[in-house]
Amino acid sequence: GESVGLHLPTLSVQEGDNSIINCAYSNSASDYFIWYKQESGKGPQFIIDIRSNMDKRQGQRVTVLLNKTVKHLSLQIAATQPGDSAVYFCAETPYNFNKFYFGSGTKLNVKP
Amino acid sequence: GAVVSQHPSRVICKSGTSVKIECRSLDFQATTMFWYRQFPKQSLMLMATSNEGSKATYEQGVEKDKFLINHASLTLSTLTVTSAHPEDSSFYICSARDHLAGVGEQYFGPGTRLTVT
Repeated sequence: GESVGLHLPTLSVQEGDNSIINCAYSNSASDYFIWYKQESGKGPQFIIDIRSNMDKRQGQRVTVLLNKTVKHLSLQIAATQPGDSAVYFCAETPYNFNKFYFGSGTKLNVKP
Repeated sequence: GAVVSQHPSRVICKSGTSVKIECRSLDFQATTMFWYRQFPKQSLMLMATSNEGSKATYEQGVEKDKFLINHASLTLSTLTVTSAHPEDSSFYICSARDHLAGVGEQYFGPGTRLTVT
């Protein structure tokens, strides 16, 4: 399968600070990337996505950056809140969207 | 909208028995469903891709005779773990892709915790 990995397994931030979660992928043919949030004992929840023809996309309090040159993806969370505490995964899929491959995950701990 | 359910949410079974897990798309039709397995503190590993009315496509290393997948309708896919062993204990998650969706977004179920004793 494809290889999607993360640099940091655990990230601790203070409430109100900005968080940056990183992800590296190996398949240069990947066309579509998604960030998911997973709370303990639950299924992943969609956060934001980005196509390979973009390098930045913004949502509510979240921004995804894509650097195709170095095959790197990041998720930025502004003004991190305790409710943001979870494990975050990036996932990638090639152009036909037939398979989604997940990175190893980063646990975000938000300290009050 | 875009709700996916799984049943059961938790199941405990004895070694050697079989367990069936259901995945349903409640408010949309899903031509494609995916089954994942997740071990504690690990990522989701894609097991197979299930297309309605056809045989599932299994990832390398996943035994198709052990993990039987049936996608009989546009709203239901089932995963049967046959002759379960303790090493099959895991969190099984399904996802479904809305066939009307323009992009590859998938909607996840809440997962099923399988414990084999």
